[in-house]
Amino acid sequence: DAGVIQSPRHEVTEMGQEVTLRCKPISGHNSLFWYRQTMMRGLELLIYFNNNVPIDDSGMPEDRFSAKMPNASFSTLKIQPSEPRDSAVYFCASSEGRNTEAFFGQGTRLTVV
Amino acid sequence: KNEVEQSPQNLTAQEGEFITINCSYSVGISALHWLQQHPGGGIVSLFMLSSGKKKHGRLIATINIQEKHSSLHITASHPRDSAVYICAVGSARQLTFGSGTQLTVLP
Repeated sequence: DAGVIQSPRHEVTEMGQEVTLRCKPISGHNSLFWYRQTMMRGLELLIYFNNNVPIDDSGMPEDRFSAKMPNASFSTLKIQPSEPRDSAVYFCASSEGRNTEAFFGQGTRLTVV
Repeated sequence: KNEVEQSPQNLTAQEGEFITINCSYSVGISALHWLQQHPGGGIVSLFMLSSGKKKHGRLIATINIQEKHSSLHITASHPRDSAVYICAVGSARQLTFGSGTQLTVLP
């Protein structure tokens, strides 16, 4: 398996634009996580899906952020409208279950100017 | 007080040295994870453990549940080990991350 695949690797966008980050989890994994990493706050969990259903989105910072998982092999994290403070590295991770090891994607480095 | 504390924050070593990175936590956990993040930014899961010790190549991770403490050891360190090492506790559903230890191994 190729591991967790995220796209794009880098994204630069202007403030106010919509940004969509994509994630393909490892096949067979039923849990998917979106994390954000910043210098100030380190790694933070944004949202957690189990069997394609959002279980915990308490980490999503604002209504500008939304995440979907239409099927077991694909998830998106959307920011609309984007703001400079959204600049961060966004990681997607997947795992087989609740208490199993999480495998991370390479991350998407987002810069909002 | 942070729920997960790592020490040291920065560590510079000479190639071949034995390295230890420590992690203390104050929350109840189901598992502790050690992650490695290279300068390129990608995160790799090194270990997940809930008791005892695990070994993978030159890496060894130990955990003491009673003392709420874990250590990551690197034997015969190499410049390619240079990375940020992150301790995280909890279940995959809710991981609490340490701030990371920046390791630099000099040739």
